[in-house]
Amino acid sequence: NAGVTQTPKFQVLKTGQSMTLQCAQDMNHNSMYWYRQDPGMGLRLIYYSASEGTTDKGEVPNGYNVSRLNKREFSLRLESAAPSQTSVYFCASSRNRGIQPQHFGDGTRLSIL
Amino acid sequence: ELKVEQNPLFLSMQEGKNYTIYCNYSTTSDRLYWYRQDPGKSLESLFVLLSNGAVKQEGRLMASLDTKARLSTLHITAAVHDLSATYFCAVDYTGGGADGLTFGKGTHLIIQP
Repeated sequence: NAGVTQTPKFQVLKTGQSMTLQCAQDMNHNSMYWYRQDPGMGLRLIYYSASEGTTDKGEVPNGYNVSRLNKREFSLRLESAAPSQTSVYFCASSRNRGIQPQHFGDGTRLSIL
Repeated sequence: ELKVEQNPLFLSMQEGKNYTIYCNYSTTSDRLYWYRQDPGKSLESLFVLLSNGAVKQEGRLMASLDTKARLSTLHITAAVHDLSATYFCAVDYTGGGADGLTFGKGTHLIIQP
């Protein structure tokens, strides 16, 4: 009963390096989301995918790209990492947009030096 | 722009006491969620409130929603140590083209014996 699985759990990058965070859900959900959480802050939406084949920007999309590879998988890419992107990244999914609660993965703790 | 404000942001209380966390939001919405986060962990869905006047209870926690006042409350009755965590409210706003949830900054709750 995995739910939402994120990989890796921890990562340290140097400024300018690129990296892809992976997310997969096994609940047959249509909608998937990427959030970042910074100390003392709530989660902020980076990108979302309302359904397979669609992606849209959230509140803080700059410096990120996403790919909805199939219904199960939604990846987040940092093309040229910056220290300001040091954060904990959470992937979430829900059956559809709105109404249902989102189910969150365990997070990826990313440090950029 | 949707804003979600929680107060207090930090709360230290003794076991056995009652207290209320408040969540105000700035734009009309009738979908509000409460989540719990333990240190270093993911978010766990607690309540989904979908209409004005909705009240949900689980154990020592009770959540309510007043959409006219744009206010939700999370009431803790006879607090116990196991309820120590950070509690987030989040609002689902689909009126402006953006999807996903807008979170408050969270209430860090410590319950002391």
